[in-house]
Amino acid sequence: KAGVTQTPRYLIKTRGQQVTLSCSPISGHRSVSWYQQTPGQGLQFLFEYFSETQRNKGNFPGRFSGRQFSNSRSEMNVSTLELGDSALYLCASSAQADTEAFFGQGTRLTVV
Amino acid sequence: GQNIDQPTEMTATEGAIVQINCTYQTSGFNGLFWYQQHAGEAPTFLSYNVLDGLEEKGRFSSFLSRSKGYSYLLLKELQMKDSASYLCAVMDSNYQLIWGAGTKLIIKP
Repeated sequence: KAGVTQTPRYLIKTRGQQVTLSCSPISGHRSVSWYQQTPGQGLQFLFEYFSETQRNKGNFPGRFSGRQFSNSRSEMNVSTLELGDSALYLCASSAQADTEAFFGQGTRLTVV
Repeated sequence: GQNIDQPTEMTATEGAIVQINCTYQTSGFNGLFWYQQHAGEAPTFLSYNVLDGLEEKGRFSSFLSRSKGYSYLLLKELQMKDSASYLCAVMDSNYQLIWGAGTKLIIKP
């Protein structure tokens, strides 16, 4: 079965712009989590959605937001981009909250 | 606060054995995961421990001691393809995964 798909794979934006990233989970998975990964920082949790509801949220400013649609696809939006937002953004899906998470290939965002 | 500690980098020789340690302090515990991440790729699942003891899966084994807040990942018969980062993650009481910064494992011939 198809894995987790993230689009786009690469993105270059300028400071002040906004960006929307997309994630299509594995069919049947209702939990989608988003992470920011930067060198030396590990995976930083952004938020988790389950059946269109945000269940958990990490310690990121309100510029970072997300949503999940009825088909479990999820989008993440970052407004007023800053240079420090340059990172790899990873999406992971799982069948339930306490089961193995499957990651997409990520979207590499560069803010210039 | 919640904290996951693992070594930043380790070096080992092809064919040898290496142990990557992970210590944690979290709000509750609902299991510990190990993931492998090759450079430029997505993390992939290796193991899950929720009870104390050793879980063996081929060349890889993972150990958990909940009372000590400690886990390790043991890799045997190292191969060059095992060069990667190894991520330790703990699921807290809210079923949120807390991640370590990862251990970069370098395998030398």
